[in-house]
Amino acid sequence: IQLTQSPSSLSASVGDRVTITCRASQGISSYLAWYQQKPGKAPKLLIYAASILQSEVPSRFSGSGSGTDFTLTISSLQPEDFATYYCQQLNSYLPLTFGGGTKVEIK
Amino acid sequence: QITLKESGPTLVKPTQTLTLTCTFSGFSLSTNGVGVGWIRQPPGKALEWLALIYWNDDQRYSPSLKSRFIITKDTSKNQVVLTMTNMDPVDTATYYCAHRLYAGGRGFDYWGLGTLVTVSA
Repeated sequence: IQLTQSPSSLSASVGDRVTITCRASQGISSYLAWYQQKPGKAPKLLIYAASILQSEVPSRFSGSGSGTDFTLTISSLQPEDFATYYCQQLNSYLPLTFGGGTKVEIK
Repeated sequence: QITLKESGPTLVKPTQTLTLTCTFSGFSLSTNGVGVGWIRQPPGKALEWLALIYWNDDQRYSPSLKSRFIITKDTSKNQVVLTMTNMDPVDTATYYCAHRLYAGGRGFDYWGLGTLVTVSA
């Protein structure tokens, strides 16, 4: 299974609405997670089951989708949100593949 | 409080076998639904899932690397060990271990800090 993220990078300003997409090469129902990673740090789980917010993650993060097409949205970009974001499929009968990542940079 | 920590050599030679240990606390790998996985990240590149072991000793591997990897657990020591044979310079990466709950399609919710392994002669 392959996960294709787009875009691979984007530039945005504080306060912008940002959308990142993840497309799976086969249907995975809602078995998808999103992570945030900052340089030199371990990834942080943001969302699992496509749309469930992990504990203590700000509500400006949201996820949607099912089947093959998924979206991570940041409703109002904050300075601490500049990072790289990864999707991962979590259907345990398939490899737990990660997407290629989307780097969110300051415009 | 759940914590995980990776340990092992920082430098290995090509063709050697690498053994990494993940020592954890705050949970038990004998508890129904619990898993520990390994993920790596070459410098400047994306995350790559490697292997995962569950409470019931079910082991899952990345298909492309399966022939080189073995994942085991020692419940009494709260450790998970990843053994990788025939190391190559392309295996140079930061290796992470992480906790996962099987139920509800949850992701890896707790991660270690990672350990950088360099493969070089």
